[in-house]
Amino acid sequence: SQTIHQWPATLVQPVGSPLSLECTVEGTSNPNLYWYRQAAGRGLQLLFYSVGIGQISSEVPQNLSASRPQDRQFILSSKKLLLSDSGFYLCAWSLTSGLGVEQFFGPGTRLTVL
Amino acid sequence: AQSVSQHNHHVILSEAASLELGCNYSYGGTVNLFWYVQYPGQHLQLLLKYFSGDPLVKGIKGFEAEFIKSKFSFNLRKPSVQWSDTAEYFCAVNTDSSYKLIFGSGTRLLVRP
Repeated sequence: SQTIHQWPATLVQPVGSPLSLECTVEGTSNPNLYWYRQAAGRGLQLLFYSVGIGQISSEVPQNLSASRPQDRQFILSSKKLLLSDSGFYLCAWSLTSGLGVEQFFGPGTRLTVL
Repeated sequence: AQSVSQHNHHVILSEAASLELGCNYSYGGTVNLFWYVQYPGQHLQLLLKYFSGDPLVKGIKGFEAEFIKSKFSFNLRKPSVQWSDTAEYFCAVNTDSSYKLIFGSGTRLLVRP
C-alpha cells in the first residue's frame, strides 16, 4: 500500500533563516505531488504541484520554492523565512491529474517562524 | 475564479443529534466534489466523493452528501453524530480536467458526549 511521509513534524525557525521540508511517497510510481499550506480558518491553499521529476508549477507568488529531485520526493524550500510563512504545510499525492482523482495527504509539518 | 464556501465555521452538537454541513461552490462547468475530514492528530483523509451518477453519495462512518447541481451545493449529512466525529471537515472541488483541488475554509465540529 502507498504511504506518504513528511518531516519534520514541527519546526521553529527564526525570521531570515532557510527552510527545507521534505515529503516522500512509497508504494507508487510517477505520482503527482502537491504542497499545500493550511492556515486557520482559511482552508488549504495549493502552493506547488509537480507531474514529474524536475517539473514544478507554482500556484501563488511567494517566498517559497519547490523541487522534485526524485520521482517520489518533493521538497519545499525557502532561502529566507518571513513571519508570514508560519503555518501548517501538507504534502499530497495523486495517481494522475484530472477529474475525480483523489489526493492523499501526509501528516503535515507545523512551521512557526519567530 | 472558482471558490468553495463553507458557511459554518464552528458547529457544536450533542451526541445523537443530526448533522448537516453546508458546502457551496462557484463554477458553471463539470465538477467533482469531495469531503475530507481531519480528526485530531491525524492525517487529512477522504470521507466521500462525487464523480457522476447518483447525486446522493455515501461515505465512511455513516456520512452521506447530496450533490444538487441547481444549487451548486454538496452538503454533508449524518443522521446521528458520535463523539468520535469531532473533527474538522473540508469540502473540496476539482473542475474540468484540472489537477487542482479547491478547498473550503473548513468546519470544526465538536460533538459533546
